[in-house]
Amino acid sequence: QKEVEQNSGPLSVPEGAIASLNCTYSDRGSQSFFWYRQYSGKSPELIMSIYSNGDKEDGRFTAQLNKASQYVSLLIRDSQPSDSATYLCAVRGGGYQKVTFGIGTKLQVIP
Amino acid sequence: SQTIHQWPATLVQPVGSPLSLECTVEGTSNPNLYWYRQAAGRGLQLLFYSVGIGQISSEVPQNLSASRPQDRQFILSSKKLLLSDSGFYLCALDGQSTEAFFGQGTRLTVV
Repeated sequence: QKEVEQNSGPLSVPEGAIASLNCTYSDRGSQSFFWYRQYSGKSPELIMSIYSNGDKEDGRFTAQLNKASQYVSLLIRDSQPSDSATYLCAVRGGGYQKVTFGIGTKLQVIP
Repeated sequence: SQTIHQWPATLVQPVGSPLSLECTVEGTSNPNLYWYRQAAGRGLQLLFYSVGIGQISSEVPQNLSASRPQDRQFILSSKKLLLSDSGFYLCALDGQSTEAFFGQGTRLTVV
């Protein structure tokens, strides 16, 4: 079982719709969860972090965490073509508290 | 603020040649440091991580090695490059309570 699992996509949504990105993780002791956005040819950049169960909103982005289900999600409201990118889920945990990434979900927002 | 210096940005090397990629960080002390590789169209593959000077953990057995001679310096090396070593190499750091933060990356093409 992979430590952090994501569907690689592509996930296609029309402009203005809600994009829903999902991630599961295997280490039940993980405490910190992150979503990164990576444009083609660029390094990943952090867009959201979440540490406790529930929802965390930042502008058009909402991160959701359910530790009991070992599930993290990212919702993007009013999706724009500029949101087209690969979204990486990351989890921090383990003995050395290292950050482990999922494979990333490619999102395509269709104008 | 934390800064990662990674160079060069692009590199073309022949098969069988050696490799040395350097990453230096500023604005933090005793960070965890990571080397990731991303093959074309693929996810992030963790190659090495380090929790301190001289402490290196290898995630994937291959012809690459890493060293951390100083707290803020992380070096990725190879004695003989393979075609399969081509990819986008990313150095990242995280402090004890922060998210992972990436350098700008080195795009390596082995020919």
